[in-house]
Amino acid sequence: GAVVSQHPSRVICKSGTSVKIECRSLDFQATTMFWYRQFPKKSLMLMATSNEGSKATYEQGVEKDKFLINHASLTLSTLTVTSAHPEDSSFYICSARDFGYSYEQYFGPGTRLTVT
Amino acid sequence: TQLLEQSPQFLSIQEGENLTVYCNSSSVFSSLQWYRQEPGEGPVLLVTVVTGGEVKKLKRLTFQFGDARKDSSLHITAAQPGDTGLYLCAGGNEKLTFGTGTRLTIIP
Repeated sequence: GAVVSQHPSRVICKSGTSVKIECRSLDFQATTMFWYRQFPKKSLMLMATSNEGSKATYEQGVEKDKFLINHASLTLSTLTVTSAHPEDSSFYICSARDFGYSYEQYFGPGTRLTVT
Repeated sequence: TQLLEQSPQFLSIQEGENLTVYCNSSSVFSSLQWYRQEPGEGPVLLVTVVTGGEVKKLKRLTFQFGDARKDSSLHITAAQPGDTGLYLCAGGNEKLTFGTGTRLTIIP
């Protein structure tokens, strides 16, 4: 089956620093990847759509200068949380859509970010 | 904005009982997916339904897509502790809109 990995799985950083999260599709090519944020006991909220070779599309209310997304290859997208603050602490999840299928997204295991 | 409301929000039942989770919207979706998510992990895709009225079975889980493609249901027969988790429906084509979630706990 389609496998998506995320690295790191957990990260703790100090307020004001930047953190990069990687999302990789391991056994398929993904022209499109998605980044979600999930608050405790809540559902997933789409932050942005990452397209290989072009700029990401951000959802309303998501600051693109704070959450930098780069999709440099068909198997890798990165999310950089810049100048992190405690309110950025959350569970970040990426997903990738298999180029050959229209509907299904496969999700990574998530990254728990804690900003102190 | 497309919204997906799930009910119930929380459900705690004894092992062996049956249950149904609902996913409702005022919008029409070209497809709907159901996911299960365990704490600290990403959602795992269970099924995709595409055709109005479609019924799909996955062992003890039965998924149905409404005729008008605005709603879906998940029925679990003889629930087991391993079914415990957060169940999420999601709809959309280019990008997914997730439902509000149903947190299911099966008590041994």
